[in-house]
Amino acid sequence: AQSVTQPDIHITVSEGASLELRCNYSYGATPYLFWYVQSPGQGLQLLLKYFSGDTLVQGIKGFEAEFKRSQSSFNLRKPSVHWSDAAEYFCASTTSGTYKYIFGTGTRLKVLA
Amino acid sequence: SQTIHQWPATLVQPVGSPLSLECTVEGTSNPNLYWYRQAAGRGLQLLFYSVGIGQISSEVPQNLSASRPQDRQFILSSKKLLLSDSGFYLCAWVLSGRGHEQYFGPGTRLTVT
Repeated sequence: AQSVTQPDIHITVSEGASLELRCNYSYGATPYLFWYVQSPGQGLQLLLKYFSGDTLVQGIKGFEAEFKRSQSSFNLRKPSVHWSDAAEYFCASTTSGTYKYIFGTGTRLKVLA
Repeated sequence: SQTIHQWPATLVQPVGSPLSLECTVEGTSNPNLYWYRQAAGRGLQLLFYSVGIGQISSEVPQNLSASRPQDRQFILSSKKLLLSDSGFYLCAWVLSGRGHEQYFGPGTRLTVT
């Protein structure tokens, strides 16, 4: 079955430190991959997406993600975290053969001042 | 540009009462529409999706139903709410077809008492 796994439920980093949030997918076909951010009580905002081509994708708010087919991963990175990045982050996936989207269970990011 | 609206923003309802949540999209035509539920501290659970007027696919058998009376309107309903229906309900839209990114509404916080 198709699945998206975010191994880290909680991550705490200091402001200014680098960040990497992990995402692993399980698909037979080439997936379309997404990262979303959710602040408390709000909807999800799209950070970036990967469809094909260049495996390093840039998103909003200084985020980037790298698609690694050999590792079935699509990790989200940011070189320097700001206090306003504290939120929950979701990795999601779909394919061209379905209308459904599979979401990971999310990683809650805490940023220390 | 496209926008997605959900209302109400918050709702407190007694057990056994009916429910109607509304989602509307502006600025696009024939979108795919989705209802998700997010329980406290949990990921997103797909409830329903629709690829056209009157076309509803149900993912989770329960006391909820969905309807799409107009191209850009998606309604989530229940005849009798259960305590377990409490949660954060999110509507999302996608460009017609498969493999595009989802865009989420601001959500409705439902508390069943």
